[in-house]
Amino acid sequence: DAGVIQSPRHEVTEMGQEVTLRCKPISGHDYLFWYRQTMMRGLELLIYFNNNVPIDDSGMPEDRFSAKMPNASFSTLKIQPSEPRDSAVYFCASSSWTDGDTQYFGPGTRLTVL
Amino acid sequence: AQSVTQLDSHVSVSEGTPVLLRCNYSSSYSPSLFWYVQHPNKGLQLLLKYTSAATLVKGINGFEAEFKKSETSFHLTKPSAHMSDAAEYFCVVISTYNNNDMRFGAGTRLTVKP
Repeated sequence: DAGVIQSPRHEVTEMGQEVTLRCKPISGHDYLFWYRQTMMRGLELLIYFNNNVPIDDSGMPEDRFSAKMPNASFSTLKIQPSEPRDSAVYFCASSSWTDGDTQYFGPGTRLTVL
Repeated sequence: AQSVTQLDSHVSVSEGTPVLLRCNYSSSYSPSLFWYVQHPNKGLQLLLKYTSAATLVKGINGFEAEFKKSETSFHLTKPSAHMSDAAEYFCVVISTYNNNDMRFGAGTRLTVKP
């Protein structure tokens, strides 16, 4: 398996623009997680899905953030409108209960909002 | 509630000398514990995990960790550091009660001097 795939790897945008981050989990995994990593706050869980259904979105910072998982092989994290404080590395991870719930991380998307 | 404390934000060793990265955890239930490594501008890679089997866990790249319930510790060690070990290391705890509540430590930056 190619592992968790994220795109784009880097995104630079201007304040106020819409940003969409994409994730393809490992095939067969039934959990998908979105994290944000910053120097100030470290790694934060934003939201996670089980079988394409959002289970816990308490980590989503505000209404400007939304996430969807239309099918088992694709998820998006959208920020609209984006702000400079959203600049961070966003990671997607997936897991399966058959693998002891070990989360496997994608390479991340580095987002810069100017 | 559960949490992880990484006792050192930065550890510096010379190549060929032992590595010790310290981690203490707090968990109301039997925990699963992980160590992840993050190389610069890369995603997180699983080094090893403890899930209530053998208390001494061996991982990739010569790393190992020992689960000590009496000390609530899960320290990461390696007998001989290599330059390629320079990275950020994260200790992570998951409660078996809620196996999607993954708590990350703040990270320890390992520097390896030639």
